[in-house]
Amino acid sequence: AQRVTQPEKLLSVFKGAPVELKCNYSYSGSPELFWYVQYSRQRLQLLLRHISRESIKGFTADLNKGETSFHLKKPFAQEEDSAMYYCALSRAGGTSYGKLTFGQGTILTVHP
Amino acid sequence: KAGVTQTPRYLIKTRGQQVTLSCSPISGHRSVSWYQQTPGQGLQFLFEYFSETQRNKGNFPGRFSGRQFSNSRSEMNVSTLELGDSALYLCASSLVASGTGELFFGEGSRLTVL
Repeated sequence: AQRVTQPEKLLSVFKGAPVELKCNYSYSGSPELFWYVQYSRQRLQLLLRHISRESIKGFTADLNKGETSFHLKKPFAQEEDSAMYYCALSRAGGTSYGKLTFGQGTILTVHP
Repeated sequence: KAGVTQTPRYLIKTRGQQVTLSCSPISGHRSVSWYQQTPGQGLQFLFEYFSETQRNKGNFPGRFSGRQFSNSRSEMNVSTLELGDSALYLCASSLVASGTGELFFGEGSRLTVL
């Protein structure tokens, strides 16, 4: 069975501080990992996916297959980063993108 | 482009009733997925439809069903409602051909079962 674990329900940092949202997964096959974000009063939306290896809004995430982790990092947090962040997993290959397994989410609060 | 549209946004039902929720995907998107979101279980996958065929199914009882029409619009139905079915039901569409795996979510239909 596949599982995504986000150990922190709440994470508070001050503006300008580094932030790391943890995500660990268990999956027997070849996974694709995503981070989705939901800002206040907005829809859930994709932040980044591991395959693209992009930096989005200053966030990066590296897939570590050895540690089965996909932590989300940003060197300098901004107040507008305050949101709910979900780590999600799907089976690689393109036929299961609609079937995501989500973690429980981490509420990030960035204080001024 | 208009985003994913879900109707109704809010509804209240009583135990034993049934409910039908509707989802209109982004134009051109042929994949539609449904998720249940509750405070206790978080976001859980219900099913995915592509070209009117159910492609993936989550671990929910048979009371939960869905379908997709030729215009890619989708509906999900929950029969014999239980109190535990109270949740936010999210629909998401994707452009499979893009290969990005990005899901575009609607605002959800909030179901309350009394």
